[in-house]
Formats: sequence, C-alpha cells, structure tokens
Amino acid sequence: QKEVEQNSGPLSVPEGAIASLNCTYSDRGSQSFFWYRQYSGKSPELIMFIYSNGDKEDGRFTAQLNKASQYVSLLIRDSQPSDSATYLCAVIRTGANNLFFGTGTRLTVIP
Amino acid sequence: DTEVTQTPKHLVMGMTNKKSLKCEQHMGHRAMYWYKQKAKKPPELMFVYSYEKLSINESVPSRFSPECPNSSLLNLHLHALQPEDSALYLCASSQVALQAYEQYFGPGTRLTVT
Repeated sequence: QKEVEQNSGPLSVPEGAIASLNCTYSDRGSQSFFWYRQYSGKSPELIMFIYSNGDKEDGRFTAQLNKASQYVSLLIRDSQPSDSATYLCAVIRTGANNLFFGTGTRLTVIP
Repeated sequence: DTEVTQTPKHLVMGMTNKKSLKCEQHMGHRAMYWYKQKAKKPPELMFVYSYEKLSINESVPSRFSPECPNSSLLNLHLHALQPEDSALYLCASSQVALQAYEQYFGPGTRLTVT
C-alpha cells in the first residue's frame, strides 16, 4: 500500500464549478498535510496546509482533514481555467524522515 | 516573503562534466532540501540539511554531492552523471526539518545530461 494515494485523473470541471480533490494516507501517525499546485514545467507551489481535523478555508480553497478516516481533501470553489494544473497531496509522519507525496491529480477547468 | 531562488534555470552537461546547482533562501529557515522530479512523477527527496548539517541522504549515488556553506545557501555538485539523471532538480526550505512546517520550493533547475 502506498503511503499517499490520489486519483491520477484527469478531473475535468466546468468553469465556475467546485473541484474536489481527494487524498488518502496509510499511516495513522501522520501529522501534517499539504496541498501543492504544479503547473506543467514549473515547481510545486504550496497552496494549503492543515494540521487539525476539520476544515480550513483560504479564499476559494478549502482543505478538509479527517484523521479517523485517513483522508484529506481540497475543494476549489468557482474554478477558473487558471486552476488547471496537477495537484499534489503531501504528508509528514511523526518521527519519519520524509515528506511523502501522492502521484498527483491533474485538474482541467473547461471555460 | 516565501522565496527560494535557484540557479541556473537550465543546465545541459555531458557525462564527463562537473557542474553545480545553487539554491538560496532568506526566510531564516533552518532546513533545506534537494528533490529530484522526473516527468509526470512526484518529487523524490534526495537530501535534507538541518542547521547546516546533512541529516538525511536518501541513498543517492555519490555522483551527487550536496553542500551547505551557510544557513541560506545550498549547493548540489554534479560529477559523471548519467543520461537517466536528467530531471527537474528542486530545492526547498522550511523552518525546521521535516516536522509540522510547510516546505517552500524554488523554481527548479532543468538538467539535461547528454
């Protein structure tokens, strides 16, 4: 079982819709959760991080963490074509020596 | 300011060359990282420096040699690379190594080994 799993997509949503990206992780000791956006040929850009159960909102982005079910999600409201990118979920485990990345979900927002 | 800078942006080198990649951050972060990313794959951790000391080497071949001259700078020295080492090399930094602190990535160096 992989440390972090994401649907590879592609996920297509119309402009203005809500895009929902999901990530599951295998280790219950995971403590920190991050969402990165990566445009083709560019480096990952941190867009959200969450450490506690519940929701965290920042502008059009909401991260949701459920430690009991071991999943973290990212909602993008009012999706724009500029949101089209690969979204990487990353997890740090307590006591681990690595930041574990999922394989990424490719999102396309259709004008 | 969450800026990490990397130079050069692009690098083409032969298998017998020696070159270096450079990374700099001025956020006062005490942890710096090197990652390698191949096309359509997530970044893979190579090295972690914590308080200017190498704390993690993820079984990286010796043809890659990291160096941390001070808390703001991180270098990656390259020697006798193979074509399969062609990739995007990413530097990142965080307040403290691999704990509950977010990592910020630089723009990367696109390396091609011929």
